[in-house]
Amino acid sequence: KQEVTQIPAALSVPEGENLVLNCSFTDSAIYNLQWFRQDPGKGLTSLLLIQSSQREQTSGRLNASLDKSSGRSTLYIAASQPGDSATYLCAVPYGNNRLAFGKGNQVVVIP
Amino acid sequence: DAGVTQSPTHLIKTRGQQVTLRCSPKSGHDTVSWYQQALGQGPQFIFQYYEEEERQRGNFPDRFSGHQFPNYSSELNVNALLLGDSALYLCASSAGQTKLFFGSGTQLSVL
Repeated sequence: KQEVTQIPAALSVPEGENLVLNCSFTDSAIYNLQWFRQDPGKGLTSLLLIQSSQREQTSGRLNASLDKSSGRSTLYIAASQPGDSATYLCAVPYGNNRLAFGKGNQVVVIP
Repeated sequence: DAGVTQSPTHLIKTRGQQVTLRCSPKSGHDTVSWYQQALGQGPQFIFQYYEEEERQRGNFPDRFSGHQFPNYSSELNVNALLLGDSALYLCASSAGQTKLFFGSGTQLSVL
């Protein structure tokens, strides 16, 4: 069974600082890893999807890295803004295209 | 092109009642998955439908059942509601085993 852990569970940073969010998974036989953003009580917005053949993926101020052998992924958010305040979820597929999620990193960016 | 749409957005029920949640997949998608997200937790896989059949199921009791219609839309039914069923229910669609797209969810409160 795939277990996904996200550390830290919650963090607050002043505006302008870089954010580093960590995700670990127990079964390294994955074919991709996805990072999502979730605002309170809302659905999931896909931020980045990294294929197992890639080591990183970038979109604007977001960069995600993947190290399959060590079972880790890191999401970097550069120059954080108050609008980045949200919960960030890491997910990996298992079985037949179903996702195992971590509990999320709850981020507050202080103006 | 509409994305994944879910209805209703919010629902309040009492213990013992039954509830039906609805999902319309993104255009061109034929596979629908349902997830339950309790407060402060990551989403948990309930089941997945393809070609009007339940293809795989997570660790949820038989009180949770579903259906997929010929137009690929889907329903999630929960019988004999418990307080612990209070959660955000998320629907995701995909074209076969491709990337999942999530709806905005239905917030269910059981009193």
